[in-house]
Amino acid sequence: EDQVTQSPEALRLQEGESSSLNCSYTVSGLRGLFWYRQDPGKGPEFLFTLYSAGEEKEKERLKATLTKKESFLHITAPKPEDSATYLCAVRRPSGGTSYGKLTFGQGTILTVHP
Amino acid sequence: GAGVSQSPSNKVTEKGKDVELRCDPISGHTALYWYRQSLGQGLEFLIYFQGNSAPDKSGLPSDRFSAERTGGSVSTLTIQRTQQEDSAVYLCASSLRGGIMNTEAFFGQGTRLTVV
Repeated sequence: EDQVTQSPEALRLQEGESSSLNCSYTVSGLRGLFWYRQDPGKGPEFLFTLYSAGEEKEKERLKATLTKKESFLHITAPKPEDSATYLCAVRRPSGGTSYGKLTFGQGTILTVHP
Repeated sequence: GAGVSQSPSNKVTEKGKDVELRCDPISGHTALYWYRQSLGQGLEFLIYFQGNSAPDKSGLPSDRFSAERTGGSVSTLTIQRTQQEDSAVYLCASSLRGGIMNTEAFFGQGTRLTVV
């Protein structure tokens, strides 16, 4: 069974204090690792898709990286508006009943203090 | 529309009543997913549609839950005889393609269901 574990559960940073969030996964034949941001009371907002080990993607202060067992979301010089829950999800190959559904981790709640 | 639209945004219902939740996906998106997010929990997969058919219903928790999609567009999730444990945020997502060529999924704002 696919498993996704995110750590830490919660992270409190001062504005400008860079850090990383971790997403460890177990899936047979990864067909994409996805990062989403979720603000309170809203649906998840798509950030990145990574497909192969060594791949990196950047957007503003965020950079996502991928290895064969885990992904990191690096936050450089965060601002209070980066406060949100960050969700990681994996997609396994299609076939049988696994038609590309996403399996999500529990998320990391990030709080950035001014 | 510009994004995935869900209605209602909030629904309070009495235990034992039936409820219908609606999802309008992004125009042209062939794949549609329903997820459930309970308080303090991660997102739980419910069902996947490709066009109007549902090749994966493995996440539906009981036979009280059903879903349909018509015209390759709007989807309705129906919960019969609601129970208090059905209280959660129900999220819908759509992606341009599903199956082998699946792409990233975009989520709606969700419907917060409260069963009292």
